[in-house]
Amino acid sequence: GAGVSQSPSNKVTEKGKDVELRCDPISGHTALYWYRQSLGQGLEFLIYFQGNSAPDKSGLPSDRFSAERTGGSVSTLTIQRTQQEDSAVYLCASSLNPTGRSGNTIYFGEGSWLTVV
Amino acid sequence: DAKTTQPNSMESNEEEPVHLPCNHSTISGTDYIHWYRQLPSQGPEYVIHGLTSNVNNRMASLAIAEDRKSSTLILHRATLRDAAVYYCILRGGVNYGGSQGNLIFGKGTKLSVKP
Repeated sequence: GAGVSQSPSNKVTEKGKDVELRCDPISGHTALYWYRQSLGQGLEFLIYFQGNSAPDKSGLPSDRFSAERTGGSVSTLTIQRTQQEDSAVYLCASSLNPTGRSGNTIYFGEGSWLTVV
Repeated sequence: DAKTTQPNSMESNEEEPVHLPCNHSTISGTDYIHWYRQLPSQGPEYVIHGLTSNVNNRMASLAIAEDRKSSTLILHRATLRDAAVYYCILRGGVNYGGSQGNLIFGKGTKLSVKP
């Protein structure tokens, strides 16, 4: 597709289970971002991948959260032993190489809505 | 981190211009000013960005103060579809905050448009 694609669009899981959220960035985009947004709240940065550089994991809230990006394209965000406070929409975004041209636009997907019951 | 300050909410009437302010007094010389908006139940979308000069595109205009410590997003004629949360964000030119090119979102301004 032409835009950032995320799956699943909706996920309901039981507390304690692991979940995986997938992101397909726009073709050719070297930068990939994960954010999460709890109901009625702002966007919280989680992790950022740029090309082959080590990812910026400074926003991950706990060691239950991890993400990888295979082949510089698709990314998977994994949440282990989910808790109710993990319920949120998880947004993925991508952009062209942002370095040196910080005007590059970031394109967001529609998000994966996670509910932990 | 360079931060931005925006009003929590604003109201506008349909067909009237809207001026959304943003203060960024600690902006550095290499920071770009970006505006994104988020419609209900959607991911954020790009609106406009600039560095020093005022900018216009089909969606909006961006007026940047001469000292770059503030900026204003201008919607020339608000429509009901413009009701959204508008985020003003600074994006570093090089190695900003140790995270190149990242966007740190604040709480934004929730714009309501009345018919």
